[in-house]
Amino acid sequence: EVQLLESGGGLVQPGGSLRLSCAASGFTFSSYVITWVRQAPGKGLEWVSAISAGGDSTYYADSVKGRFTISRDNSENTLYLQMNRLRAEDTAVYYCAKCSGNYISWFDPWGQGTQVTVSS
Amino acid sequence: EIVLTQSPGTLSLSPGERATLSCRASQTVSSSSLAWYQQKPGQAPRLLIYGASSRATGIPDRFSGSGSGTDFTLTISRLEPEDFAVYYCQQYGSSPRTFGQGTKVEIK
Repeated sequence: EVQLLESGGGLVQPGGSLRLSCAASGFTFSSYVITWVRQAPGKGLEWVSAISAGGDSTYYADSVKGRFTISRDNSENTLYLQMNRLRAEDTAVYYCAKCSGNYISWFDPWGQGTQVTVSS
Repeated sequence: EIVLTQSPGTLSLSPGERATLSCRASQTVSSSSLAWYQQKPGQAPRLLIYGASSRATGIPDRFSGSGSGTDFTLTISRLEPEDFAVYYCQQYGSSPRTFGQGTKVEIK
């Protein structure tokens, strides 16, 4: 069974940093693009970032470009999102999700999400 | 950036009724690169449809997708109690990937 499990969320002050992790199992992690999607409280879904299967190409939404860095460790089947210079508007549940192949396609499945709260 | 507009915002229906959800794109979605997701409170989204009309694994056949270009539809032929949720469309034909704002299907 394909599973994704996020961790690393929490409460952080504006301007602070946080690193999220997404542990994958049940599939050949190194063969798939993986993505981060977030959902602010009571709001819809927003695509945040994605990384190629080999980790050599990364993609970001304009809202996080220059502040967030996506990376992966294919030997550990783990995806990361380093979030710096956090703002109140980054408060959201962050989901990782597997893409269908070697491009940012549809997302299936999703992890259960990890809550990030940016507040003083 | 392609903006996806979903309508209606809320759909109030009874179990057994047919639900028709719309997703309209601000530009042509290439190669019918459109997906639909279902999200229940406190849960992660679940893929229902990809490629505008292909059902994901394990999705009941009462869910169907159609459309191309800028107009897409998700139809639930007969609502079951577990279908009351929020539904999102997403395009993956151009960058950045974008989602619609969601349609809530609630019990009338």
